[in-house]
Amino acid sequence: GAVVSQHPSRVICKSGTSVKIECRSLDFQATTMFWYRQFPKQSLMLMATSNEGSKATYEQGVEKDKFLINHASLTLSTLTVTSAHPEDSSFYICSARVRGFYEQYFGPGTRLTVT
Amino acid sequence: AQSVTQPDIHITVSEGASLELRCNYSYGATPYLFWYVQSPGQGLQLLLKYFSGDTLVQGIKGFEAEFKRSQSSFNLRKPSVHWSDAAEYFCAGEFLTQGGSEKLVFGKGTKLTVNP
Repeated sequence: GAVVSQHPSRVICKSGTSVKIECRSLDFQATTMFWYRQFPKQSLMLMATSNEGSKATYEQGVEKDKFLINHASLTLSTLTVTSAHPEDSSFYICSARVRGFYEQYFGPGTRLTVT
Repeated sequence: AQSVTQPDIHITVSEGASLELRCNYSYGATPYLFWYVQSPGQGLQLLLKYFSGDTLVQGIKGFEAEFKRSQSSFNLRKPSVHWSDAAEYFCAGEFLTQGGSEKLVFGKGTKLTVNP
């Protein structure tokens, strides 16, 4: 149980275009979902926290107009990278958690390359 | 500020040897603590977690970790390493932020290489 999927696993896009990444909890209802960014050979940095039905809370330094997060249901959160630039190329990982439980379940990640 | 430190960036051990990966945290209280493993290009897999109680925690794949409050440490151990254990290991702590929400903070990771 507690499986989180991400789609796509890899995406290549041109500079200036937008890319949407989906994060789904497959066998549980996630009251909270998290989006992380991981640069090569570095740790995971929390970008934002989203609760179902409410606006996402962004970490300091993360542009909310550039990284749009929608958590429309208890099983789906999306991250849209708008007007992507090469510096947005990274590995994006989502996680999901059930209210009252502290364990986060991580998705397999999405490799974004902006050319 | 809350932080998690993994002092060793890269560790190399021989297959069959014992392993200890270090993790220290900085926080005014005891956070919830986790160890994750990440294979190249993959997501994170939870190895074990500590919330409270017994300070020696058993996890999957033969790993264990010991919480030591006096040292603010949560070191990961395995008595005999297998070649398949080669991966990146992350220690993480769940902290309560000033805003009242919980936040998972990761260490920088330790890359484990296993020699045959």
